[in-house]
Amino acid sequence: NAGVTQTPKFQVLKTGQSMTLQCAQDMNHNSMYWYRQDPGMGLRLIYYSASEGTTDKGEVPNGYNVSRLNKREFSLRLESAAPSQTSVYFCASSLSRNVNSPLHFGNGTRLTVT
Amino acid sequence: DAKTTQPPSMDCAEGRAANLPCNHSTISGNEYVYWYRQIHSQGPQYIIHGLKNNETNEMASLIITEDRKSSTLILPHATLRDTAVYYCIVYNNAGNMLTFGGGTRLMVKP
Repeated sequence: NAGVTQTPKFQVLKTGQSMTLQCAQDMNHNSMYWYRQDPGMGLRLIYYSASEGTTDKGEVPNGYNVSRLNKREFSLRLESAAPSQTSVYFCASSLSRNVNSPLHFGNGTRLTVT
Repeated sequence: DAKTTQPPSMDCAEGRAANLPCNHSTISGNEYVYWYRQIHSQGPQYIIHGLKNNETNEMASLIITEDRKSSTLILPHATLRDTAVYYCIVYNNAGNMLTFGGGTRLMVKP
């Protein structure tokens, strides 16, 4: 039982390049989330998927797209990377969007855009 | 979601109890108190959560005041591996996001 797995762990991109961050969970959770973490800013929600087939914007969605491929997988795409997107990205999942359902996080993807 | 206030840093001696306070004076009736921690370079780890009653699990205890305006996370016997940033969050169903603030950086010292 691996929990939440993110790939890759590290990535360096040039401005304008695109890439997809992958996330998979094996806990049969319905809801999945993408956060970014920047120094002094805490974690900020980019997008979330309450259930398979649905996605919604979070606090900072500009410059990103997401795909809920199936119940297990939720990917985050940067179409044209910018230096402002240099950050650590965390994927999380929860059994549901119910307030009594804790989030479980992966160990992050460290992205640098030059 | 209600805002929380935590001290930026705390120290604790190894083997002693670590008591981490959190103020959430604007909490509303349907908001839960959640605690997560983040050990350097890892993703946040869920610790415990509660609505109004005190809660205990294998990791920690959560004490919520009767008026729910503050809470304390207790690590009963802190170890060096408990050194981390601890986040207190209040959350309800109506909110679209779990918002992480600055947290408390706990340093457990030998």
